[in-house]
Amino acid sequence: QLQMQESGPGLVRPSETLSVTCSVSGGSIRSSSYYWGWIRQTPGKGLEWIGYFYYGGTTSYNPSLKSRVTISEDVSKNQFSMDLRSVTAAETAVYYCARHRWGEYSDSWYIDFWGQGTQVTVSS
Amino acid sequence: DIQMTQSPSTLSASVGDRVTITCRASQSISNWLAWYQQKPGKAPKLFIYKASSLETGVPSRFSGSGSGTEFTLTIDSLRPDDFATYYCQQYKTYLGTFGQGTKVEIK
Repeated sequence: QLQMQESGPGLVRPSETLSVTCSVSGGSIRSSSYYWGWIRQTPGKGLEWIGYFYYGGTTSYNPSLKSRVTISEDVSKNQFSMDLRSVTAAETAVYYCARHRWGEYSDSWYIDFWGQGTQVTVSS
Repeated sequence: DIQMTQSPSTLSASVGDRVTITCRASQSISNWLAWYQQKPGKAPKLFIYKASSLETGVPSRFSGSGSGTEFTLTIDSLRPDDFATYYCQQYKTYLGTFGQGTKVEIK
Protein backbone atom coordinates (compact mmCIF):
# COMPACT_ATOMS: atom_id res chain seq x y z
CA GLN A 1 0.00 0.00 0.00
CA LEU A 2 1.30 3.40 -0.98
CA GLN A 3 2.97 5.55 1.61
CA MET A 4 4.44 8.99 1.11
CA GLN A 5 6.44 10.66 3.84
CA GLU A 6 7.74 14.20 3.79
CA SER A 7 10.84 15.35 5.60
CA GLY A 8 11.82 18.95 6.01
CA PRO A 9 13.79 21.43 8.11
CA GLY A 10 10.94 22.70 10.25
CA LEU A 11 12.41 26.20 10.32
CA VAL A 12 13.91 28.22 7.48
CA ARG A 13 15.22 31.77 7.64
CA PRO A 14 13.80 34.42 5.28
CA SER A 15 15.62 34.71 1.94
CA GLU A 16 17.06 31.20 2.30
CA THR A 17 16.13 28.00 0.48
CA LEU A 18 13.42 25.69 1.71
CA SER A 19 14.16 22.05 0.88
CA VAL A 20 11.77 19.17 1.47
CA THR A 21 11.94 15.54 0.44
CA CYS A 22 9.26 12.94 -0.12
CA SER A 23 10.04 9.27 0.40
CA VAL A 24 7.72 6.91 -1.43
CA SER A 25 7.08 3.28 -0.54
CA GLY A 26 4.55 0.83 -1.89
CA GLY A 27 4.76 2.45 -5.32
CA SER A 28 7.35 3.66 -7.79
CA ILE A 29 7.99 7.22 -8.88
CA ARG A 30 8.96 5.66 -12.23
CA SER A 31 5.33 4.75 -12.80
CA SER A 32 4.01 5.94 -16.14
CA SER A 33 0.56 6.34 -14.63
CA TYR A 34 1.23 9.19 -12.25
CA TYR A 35 2.88 12.52 -11.75
CA TRP A 36 4.51 13.38 -8.43
CA GLY A 37 4.67 16.77 -6.85
CA TRP A 38 3.98 19.26 -4.11
CA ILE A 39 1.11 21.26 -2.70
CA ARG A 40 1.20 23.64 0.22
CA GLN A 41 -1.46 24.82 2.61
CA THR A 42 -1.62 28.06 4.55
CA PRO A 43 -4.43 29.46 6.68
CA GLY A 44 -4.54 32.55 4.48
CA LYS A 45 -4.25 31.25 0.93
CA GLY A 46 -5.51 27.74 1.43
CA LEU A 47 -4.31 24.96 -0.85
CA GLU A 48 -1.81 26.00 -3.51
CA TRP A 49 -0.29 23.76 -6.16
CA ILE A 50 3.48 24.11 -6.41
CA GLY A 51 4.41 21.73 -9.20
CA TYR A 52 5.07 18.18 -10.31
CA PHE A 53 7.51 16.01 -12.21
CA TYR A 54 6.93 13.04 -14.44
CA TYR A 55 9.50 10.27 -14.60
CA GLY A 56 11.88 11.00 -17.42
CA GLY A 57 12.32 14.67 -16.75
CA THR A 58 9.08 16.51 -17.45
CA THR A 59 8.29 19.17 -14.90
CA SER A 60 5.56 21.73 -14.51
CA TYR A 61 5.37 24.55 -12.00
CA ASN A 62 2.92 27.11 -10.75
CA PRO A 63 3.77 30.27 -12.72
CA SER A 64 3.75 32.30 -9.53
CA LEU A 65 6.62 30.18 -8.17
CA LYS A 66 8.34 29.02 -11.33
CA SER A 67 11.37 31.31 -11.03
CA ARG A 68 12.16 30.06 -7.52
CA VAL A 69 11.24 26.38 -7.41
CA THR A 70 12.88 23.16 -8.57
CA ILE A 71 11.47 19.66 -8.22
CA SER A 72 13.89 16.80 -8.71
CA GLU A 73 13.80 13.02 -8.46
CA ASP A 74 16.12 10.39 -7.01
CA VAL A 75 15.00 7.17 -8.63
CA SER A 76 17.57 5.07 -6.76
CA LYS A 77 15.97 6.06 -3.45
CA ASN A 78 12.40 6.34 -4.78
CA GLN A 79 12.33 9.89 -3.49
CA PHE A 80 11.70 13.32 -4.88
CA SER A 81 12.48 16.75 -3.54
CA MET A 82 11.55 20.36 -3.82
CA ASP A 83 13.74 23.42 -3.39
CA LEU A 84 12.09 26.80 -2.98
CA ARG A 85 14.52 29.69 -3.01
CA SER A 86 14.33 33.12 -1.42
CA VAL A 87 11.43 32.31 0.87
CA THR A 88 9.44 34.82 2.87
CA ALA A 89 7.41 34.54 6.03
CA ALA A 90 4.26 34.31 3.92
CA GLU A 91 5.47 30.90 2.76
CA THR A 92 5.11 29.41 6.18
CA ALA A 93 2.89 26.45 5.42
CA VAL A 94 2.29 22.75 5.59
CA TYR A 95 4.00 21.23 2.57
CA TYR A 96 2.45 18.06 1.17
CA CYS A 97 3.89 15.69 -1.35
CA ALA A 98 1.16 14.44 -3.61
CA ARG A 99 0.56 11.84 -6.28
CA HIS A 100 -1.15 13.41 -9.25
CA ARG A 101 -3.56 11.38 -11.33
CA TRP A 102 -4.19 12.65 -14.82
CA GLY A 103 -7.85 13.10 -15.58
CA GLU A 104 -9.01 10.85 -18.39
CA TYR A 105 -9.43 13.03 -21.52
CA SER A 106 -8.52 16.04 -19.36
CA ASP A 107 -5.61 18.41 -19.74
CA SER A 108 -4.87 18.34 -16.05
CA TRP A 109 -4.63 16.43 -12.82
CA TYR A 110 -6.14 15.86 -9.44
CA ILE A 111 -4.52 14.41 -6.33
CA ASP A 112 -5.34 10.83 -5.49
CA PHE A 113 -2.85 10.41 -2.66
CA TRP A 114 -1.28 12.85 -0.21
CA GLY A 115 1.59 12.55 2.21
CA GLN A 116 0.86 13.49 5.81
CA GLY A 117 2.51 16.91 5.36
CA THR A 118 5.41 18.70 6.99
CA GLN A 119 5.12 22.07 8.71
CA VAL A 120 7.73 24.57 7.57
CA THR A 121 8.02 27.91 9.31
CA VAL A 122 9.89 30.78 7.72
CA SER A 123 11.21 33.03 10.44
CA SER A 124 14.39 34.68 11.58
CA ASP B 1 -6.34 31.41 -13.41
CA ILE B 2 -9.71 29.78 -12.77
CA GLN B 3 -11.12 30.87 -9.43
CA MET B 4 -13.12 28.41 -7.35
CA THR B 5 -15.62 29.71 -4.81
CA GLN B 6 -17.31 27.49 -2.26
CA SER B 7 -20.40 28.22 -0.21
CA PRO B 8 -21.08 28.28 2.57
CA SER B 9 -17.74 28.69 4.34
CA THR B 10 -19.14 26.96 7.40
CA LEU B 11 -22.15 24.70 7.67
CA SER B 12 -23.66 23.62 10.97
CA ALA B 13 -25.55 20.36 10.82
CA SER B 14 -26.67 17.43 12.91
CA VAL B 15 -26.09 13.72 12.56
CA GLY B 16 -28.62 12.39 10.07
CA ASP B 17 -28.99 15.65 8.16
CA ARG B 18 -28.66 15.93 4.41
CA VAL B 19 -26.11 18.61 3.55
CA THR B 20 -25.14 20.25 0.30
CA ILE B 21 -22.00 22.23 -0.46
CA THR B 22 -21.71 24.37 -3.56
CA CYS B 23 -18.62 25.09 -5.63
CA ARG B 24 -18.61 27.67 -8.43
CA ALA B 25 -15.95 28.13 -11.08
CA SER B 26 -15.10 31.50 -12.61
CA GLN B 27 -15.38 29.91 -16.06
CA SER B 28 -16.63 26.66 -17.48
CA ILE B 29 -14.62 23.64 -16.41
CA SER B 30 -16.88 20.99 -17.99
CA ASN B 31 -16.93 18.23 -15.37
CA TRP B 32 -13.26 18.43 -14.43
CA LEU B 33 -13.86 18.80 -10.72
CA ALA B 34 -12.63 16.92 -7.67
CA TRP B 35 -13.75 17.00 -4.06
CA TYR B 36 -11.57 16.33 -1.05
CA GLN B 37 -12.23 15.81 2.64
CA GLN B 38 -9.77 17.06 5.23
CA LYS B 39 -9.81 16.47 8.96
CA PRO B 40 -7.80 18.56 11.44
CA GLY B 41 -4.10 17.77 11.34
CA LYS B 42 -4.51 15.38 8.43
CA ALA B 43 -3.92 15.57 4.71
CA PRO B 44 -6.85 15.98 2.35
CA LYS B 45 -8.33 12.80 0.96
CA LEU B 46 -9.81 12.39 -2.50
CA PHE B 47 -13.53 11.72 -2.40
CA ILE B 48 -14.91 12.53 -5.83
CA TYR B 49 -13.42 13.15 -9.26
CA LYS B 50 -14.91 14.06 -12.62
CA ALA B 51 -17.64 15.86 -10.69
CA SER B 52 -19.59 12.73 -9.78
CA SER B 53 -17.30 9.69 -9.70
CA LEU B 54 -16.74 8.31 -6.22
CA GLU B 55 -13.18 7.32 -5.37
CA THR B 56 -12.83 3.71 -4.27
CA GLY B 57 -13.75 3.27 -0.64
CA VAL B 58 -15.80 6.44 -0.29
CA PRO B 59 -19.23 5.80 1.26
CA SER B 60 -22.19 5.94 -1.07
CA ARG B 61 -23.90 8.61 1.06
CA PHE B 62 -21.54 11.03 -0.69
CA SER B 63 -22.46 12.22 -4.15
CA GLY B 64 -21.36 14.93 -6.53
CA SER B 65 -23.11 16.63 -9.39
CA GLY B 66 -22.85 19.56 -11.75
CA SER B 67 -21.06 20.69 -14.86
CA GLY B 68 -19.89 23.90 -16.40
CA THR B 69 -19.53 26.38 -13.57
CA GLU B 70 -21.73 25.07 -10.75
CA PHE B 71 -21.19 21.93 -8.73
CA THR B 72 -22.51 20.37 -5.56
CA LEU B 73 -21.31 17.85 -3.03
CA THR B 74 -24.14 16.19 -1.12
CA ILE B 75 -23.90 14.07 1.98
CA ASP B 76 -27.02 12.04 2.69
CA SER B 77 -27.60 11.27 6.34
CA LEU B 78 -24.56 12.91 7.91
CA ARG B 79 -22.48 10.69 10.19
CA PRO B 80 -20.10 11.73 13.01
CA ASP B 81 -17.12 10.81 10.83
CA ASP B 82 -18.23 13.30 8.16
CA PHE B 83 -17.58 16.42 10.21
CA ALA B 84 -14.59 17.87 8.39
CA THR B 85 -13.61 20.48 5.83
CA TYR B 86 -14.36 19.86 2.17
CA TYR B 87 -12.50 21.35 -0.77
CA CYS B 88 -13.26 21.41 -4.46
CA GLN B 89 -10.56 21.59 -7.11
CA GLN B 90 -10.81 22.22 -10.82
CA TYR B 91 -8.59 20.37 -13.26
CA LYS B 92 -9.64 22.00 -16.50
CA THR B 93 -6.26 23.71 -16.81
CA TYR B 94 -2.78 22.54 -15.86
CA LEU B 95 -2.85 25.08 -13.04
CA GLY B 96 -5.30 23.24 -10.87
CA THR B 97 -6.92 25.50 -8.31
CA PHE B 98 -8.80 24.83 -5.11
CA GLY B 99 -11.78 26.36 -3.40
CA GLN B 100 -11.28 27.93 0.01
CA GLY B 101 -13.07 25.10 1.80
CA THR B 102 -16.35 24.44 3.58
CA LYS B 103 -16.23 23.36 7.18
CA VAL B 104 -19.03 21.03 8.21
CA GLU B 105 -19.42 21.35 11.96
CA ILE B 106 -21.70 19.86 14.55
CA LYS B 107 -24.79 21.97 15.28
